[in-house]
Amino acid sequence: GAGVSQSPSNKVTEKGKDVELRCDPISGHTALYWYRQSLGQGLEFLIYFQGNSAPDKSGLPSDRFSAERTGGSVSTLTIQRTQQEDSAVYLCASSGRQGLSFSGNTIYFGEGSWLTVV
Amino acid sequence: GDSVTQMEGPVTLSEEAFLTINCTYTATGYPSLFWYVQYPGEGLQLLLKATKADDKGSNKGFEATYRKETTSFHLEKGSVQVSDSAVYFCALSDRGDFNKFYFGSGTKLNVKP
Repeated sequence: GAGVSQSPSNKVTEKGKDVELRCDPISGHTALYWYRQSLGQGLEFLIYFQGNSAPDKSGLPSDRFSAERTGGSVSTLTIQRTQQEDSAVYLCASSGRQGLSFSGNTIYFGEGSWLTVV
Repeated sequence: GDSVTQMEGPVTLSEEAFLTINCTYTATGYPSLFWYVQYPGEGLQLLLKATKADDKGSNKGFEATYRKETTSFHLEKGSVQVSDSAVYFCALSDRGDFNKFYFGSGTKLNVKP
């Protein structure tokens, strides 16, 4: 698509429930990223995909968090047994090499999924 | 490893004041440098970028020059407006692994009328 699309835009869930957040990257972008941003805080890196594989999962905060990407496109971030500290904005982004020569890669963000755990 | 450090906020200015938000970086190679802006309630948007030393990125009256000798990419604007109130993030992309992005912690700018 024209931009990075995320859904749902807002989600309120009860503590202990599982949630799935979806990201549809820019068409043709091979790299996909998930970040978390708590209220008033900076960006916390969660995971990065190159194609369908995840060479860097170092940012996932616990084993309750998992992510997958299928077909080199859509990605789902799943949070199991949600806790109140999981409340945050979850930002997805994508990037892709521009042309044959290195002309400066750029990462493009979606609007985010606002998660509130009550 | 690679990293980005930017000045802590919030920065509060009056309308039409001059803005500087400092950003310095550490990188093993020759990174590309970026400024992103996040308006209240929105996602991050690319503001400007520079891909090599001495390049100047500019957009919407904002400028930043890639200074290799000082490893800096300071954001400047000559006359800020209330509508510039947002959080600004400095970032770098490592050429060695062009999909690696490193972000600063963000600087909140408040512009008063």
